[in-house]
Amino acid sequence: QVQLVQSGSELKKPGASVKLSCRTSGYIFDNFGINWVRQAPGQGLEWMGWINTRTGNPTYAQGFTGRFVFSLDTSIRTAYLQIISLKPEDTAVYYCVRKKDLLDYWGQGTLVTVSS
Amino acid sequence: SSELTQDPAVSVALGQTVSITCQGDSLRSYYANWYQQKPGQAPVRVIFGKNIRPSGIPDRFSVSSSGDTGSLTITGVHAEDEADYFCSSTDSSGNHVVFGGGTKLTVL
Repeated sequence: QVQLVQSGSELKKPGASVKLSCRTSGYIFDNFGINWVRQAPGQGLEWMGWINTRTGNPTYAQGFTGRFVFSLDTSIRTAYLQIISLKPEDTAVYYCVRKKDLLDYWGQGTLVTVSS
Repeated sequence: SSELTQDPAVSVALGQTVSITCQGDSLRSYYANWYQQKPGQAPVRVIFGKNIRPSGIPDRFSVSSSGDTGSLTITGVHAEDEADYFCSSTDSSGNHVVFGGGTKLTVL
């Protein structure tokens, strides 16, 4: 069955960096893009962008350029989200989501807490 | 700001029917897809496209659309339907995903 398994919770200080992973299984990896979605505490869903798993080309949504980096390791079917120079407002749950025509299978989410 | 607009909260009595709406210009060209999210859990798709339900989603969930508005209808609401519901679609450029702000459904 299709699974997206994300790495565990992170507690970071402002200014640090973090790299989250999303390990996939149960489908042909490069047939679907991997999208990233952010959900701040008590808030709605924000689409951050996606990475093309065939080409490795990332697309970033407005507001997620500069400090956010999508990458892949296709040999282990894993996508990564790196956040640089963390700010307290980056505190959120980050989801990886498989997508072709729509966002279908979601990872369980990774909570990132940024606090001094 | 979201390009899709949802009412923040809706309440319904147990066993009754409720509709949750999602409005945006992109819905004139693209279907709204709907996700259910319960506290502490990842969203789960409940219905997408032209009334397509993934396996395991009960048939009390249905959708309709008119103009720039898509609607998710739950007929005969169950207590376990209490959750946040998010709509999603493609933006007007056709390149990006957009979400509605979410509707908190309370079952009375």
